[in-house]
Amino acid sequence: DQQVKQNSPSLSVQEGRISILNCDYTNSMFDYFLWYKKYPAEGPTFLISISSIKDKNEDGRFTVFLNKSAKHLSLHIVPSQPGDSAVYFCAASGVDAGGTSYGKLTFGQGTILTVHP
Amino acid sequence: DAGITQSPRHKVTETGTPVTLRCHQTENHRYMYWYRQDPGHGLRLIHYSYGVKDTDKGEVSDGYSVSRSKTEDFLLTLESATSSQTSVYFCAISRLANYGYTFGSGTRLTVV
Repeated sequence: DQQVKQNSPSLSVQEGRISILNCDYTNSMFDYFLWYKKYPAEGPTFLISISSIKDKNEDGRFTVFLNKSAKHLSLHIVPSQPGDSAVYFCAASGVDAGGTSYGKLTFGQGTILTVHP
Repeated sequence: DAGITQSPRHKVTETGTPVTLRCHQTENHRYMYWYRQDPGHGLRLIHYSYGVKDTDKGEVSDGYSVSRSKTEDFLLTLESATSSQTSVYFCAISRLANYGYTFGSGTRLTVV
């Protein structure tokens, strides 16, 4: 049962345009969401996060939007650059049944972003 | 990232042999995690640790065990490797729960 889903395996955009990566989740206990970027032969690197008490968080060219009612989040990259070409993972965490968070993340399958010059 | 090191980076092993992967951190972070990455599955949690000698199972823990005898080292052991454990393994560290992880560079394990 995939609790975090990225339904688009790949996305191709032109340099300078907007990239929009989408992510859906099913677990209502998730309260913290993150995006990671991964280059080949490297570990994922943290990009941006959002708490469930917010609906938007910005960091430079990157903005994450959270729609709790739809259990959907998206990452916007504006403007897209060729160096943004990578695999993007969304991830979610929450407290367990005992109310404790150990920071365990549930990841989506990833979306391969290609930005063409 | 210089604060977290995984070893070995690559390993080929035979079915049925034991294998231990090492994660070493110099950040003194409390939380440590082992994930595996497979096509179509993203990253899945194997085991995690929230302190020395404090560990628990993740989503795909069958066939794996872990140990954390000191803050800086988190070992992942495959007691008897199987071909289904061929994967890329990532270790991650975090200072706090609900805080962005720092991942290691990964270990590519092939079981033949």
